[in-house]
Amino acid sequence: AQSVSQHNHHVILSEAASLELGCNYSYGGTVNLFWYVQYPGQHLQLLLKYFSGDPLVKGIKGFEAEFIKSKFSFNLRKPSVQWSDTAEYFCAVNSHGSSNTGKLIFGQGTTLQVKP
Amino acid sequence: DAGVTQSPTHLIKTRGQQVTLRCSPKSGHDTVSWYQQALGQGPQFIFQYYEEEERQRGNFPDRFSGHQFPNYSSELNVNALLLGDSALYLCASSLRETSGFYEQYFGPGTRLTVT
Repeated sequence: AQSVSQHNHHVILSEAASLELGCNYSYGGTVNLFWYVQYPGQHLQLLLKYFSGDPLVKGIKGFEAEFIKSKFSFNLRKPSVQWSDTAEYFCAVNSHGSSNTGKLIFGQGTTLQVKP
Repeated sequence: DAGVTQSPTHLIKTRGQQVTLRCSPKSGHDTVSWYQQALGQGPQFIFQYYEEEERQRGNFPDRFSGHQFPNYSSELNVNALLLGDSALYLCASSLRETSGFYEQYFGPGTRLTVT
């Protein structure tokens, strides 16, 4: 079965520190990859997505992610975090296939706390 | 441009009861997916509706059922509620693409508490 694993469950950083959140998935075929963010009291929002082409994708608010196919990974990065980045971050995968309906498989999330 | 809306915001039910949650998709979208997000977990796919039919289903029992209306809005019904059904229920809408890629937009969710 397909699965998504996020290695860091709770990350605490000081403002201006660099961020990298790990995400690995298990699926041998073609995938679309996503990072969603859920700010406190708000709904899930798309940070960035990858479907094909340049494996380094840039999203909103200075976030970027790199798809490494050989490692089945899609890690999220930001060079300098801000207090406003405090949120829950979810990695998600959508697999291609003959019966693809856009089902997203999510990791269990990483809580990021940025200290001012 | 209205995003995905869900109602009600919060709901408290008793074990054994039935509940109906509602979702209106983002303008222009024709596909609705439902997810269950338990506390401290990522969302889990329940099912997806397109052209008023259930297209794919996750690993949820038959107590979970749904419906899509001609205006693309959708309902999620849960029968015989269990304490374990307490969760945030998310609706996501998308536009079905022939290429097979679906970018989903999420609503704010309905917080269901079963006592």
